[in-house]
Amino acid sequence: GEDVEQSLFLSVREGDSSVINCTYTDSSSTYLYWYKQEPGAGLQLLTYIFSNMDMKQDQRLTVLLNKKDKHLSLRIADTQTGDSAIYFCAERRGGYQKVTFGTGTKLQVIP
Amino acid sequence: DAGVIQSPRHEVTEMGQEVTLRCKPISGHNSLFWYRQTMMRGLELLIYFNNNVPIDDSGMPEDRFSAKMPNASFSTLKIQPSEPRDSAVYFCASSLGSGVNTEAFFGQGTRLTVV
Repeated sequence: GEDVEQSLFLSVREGDSSVINCTYTDSSSTYLYWYKQEPGAGLQLLTYIFSNMDMKQDQRLTVLLNKKDKHLSLRIADTQTGDSAIYFCAERRGGYQKVTFGTGTKLQVIP
Repeated sequence: DAGVIQSPRHEVTEMGQEVTLRCKPISGHNSLFWYRQTMMRGLELLIYFNNNVPIDDSGMPEDRFSAKMPNASFSTLKIQPSEPRDSAVYFCASSLGSGVNTEAFFGQGTRLTVV
């Protein structure tokens, strides 16, 4: 079945690195996503990774995928106050439109 | 393009009343999704359409909820009768195709409060 889990809250100091973790259960997941939701807004896609990749880097963002353990993480280097938001991981099987989201991790950046 | 447009942004209604949420997807997108976000359950997919046809409505909580997509540029989510536990933020999203770059673009949501 489909289940995506995240911790609810993370607090870091400005300038430190943030690591947001996610686990999923569907072994047939092909695409894994990270979305960001700022207060009062909808979700915006940050980055995605194919299930046949281990890592993807995009500027301050690093996505790590451990397919064996079905564990996905998002690392934000040099975290800024503007990074404060809720971060959702999501998974989708190839050929299917349905995207299953985690519950979201609220990142609080302390100045 | 203005993005996905939802209306109203906020809705307060009394228990038992009918509520209709509206969504205009991005022009040219062929998939449309309705999500519900609550503190307790996070983001839940209620239903999605592909080419105006409902594909999966297994997330619709009960018969009080219904969704329609009469054409490619408009969709509604209706709750009749509404209950306090329906209070949530309802998001509409649209996307094009089914490839990996099928980013879902979200509207700003409708915050529904049922009293």
